[in-house]
Amino acid sequence: NAGVMQNPRHLVRRRGQEARLRCSPMKGHSHVYWYRQLPEEGLKFMVYLQKENIIDESGMPKERFSAEFPKEGPSILRIQQVVRGDSAAYFCASSPRAGRSSDTQYFGPGTRLTVL
Amino acid sequence: AQTVTQSQPEMSVQEAETVTLSCTYDTSESDYYLFWYKQPPSRQMILVIRQEAYKQQNATENRFSVNFQKAAKSFSLKISDSQLGDAAMYFCAAQGGSEKLVFGKGTKLTVNP
Repeated sequence: NAGVMQNPRHLVRRRGQEARLRCSPMKGHSHVYWYRQLPEEGLKFMVYLQKENIIDESGMPKERFSAEFPKEGPSILRIQQVVRGDSAAYFCASSPRAGRSSDTQYFGPGTRLTVL
Repeated sequence: AQTVTQSQPEMSVQEAETVTLSCTYDTSESDYYLFWYKQPPSRQMILVIRQEAYKQQNATENRFSVNFQKAAKSFSLKISDSQLGDAAMYFCAAQGGSEKLVFGKGTKLTVNP
C-alpha cells in the first residue's frame, strides 16, 4: 500500500509566478490535510478537504492560496503570484474516515518551495 | 482553540541511555488525541506514538512510551535505549473535534555515540 505521495519534492519559482503542489492520498483515504512548515517552526494547518469539498480552510491565507480535491485525481494546493515569504515546506496528510478525530494522519514527504 | 508547547528546543542523549521530551497542551475539548511525530533530516513526518485522551493507560510502542498527565495537560515522550537513528526533530501535536493537528515548535534530539 503506497504511502501519501507528493510532487514535486522541490519546486523553485520566481516572485510573481504560480506554484502548484500535488498530493495523492493513501489508497482508501478520502480526507486530505495541507500543512505548511516555515524554517525552524512546527507545522501549521492550512486546509482540510474531502472529495469535492473544502471542510476547513481556517488556516489558509485569504489571498493567493487555494486548494481543491477533485472527484478524480490528486489534491492540489495552488499559490498564485508567489512571494519570498511563501518559501516553506508544504506537507500533505491523509486519513481514512470522517466524523471523529480518531484517525491518524499519515504524512507525505513534503514539497519544498523556494521563491527566488 | 488548542495550543501545544514544547519548552525544550534541543536535547541530547548518549546512545543506549533514556531521554524524556516534554510537551504541554491546552484545550477546551473533552475528546481529543495527542501525538508525537518524528522528523529526521529527510523531513518526512513519521508517527511515533498516539494517545487517546479518554484512555488512562499510557501508550507504548517498543522503546517509545508516553507519560500522559491529563489534569496537568502534560504529554511527555520517553525514549529508552536511545539509538543513533533516533536523532531527529520531535513534534508534539494535539487533535480535537476540528480534525486539524496543532503542533508544537519541536525539540531537536541529538544522540551521541
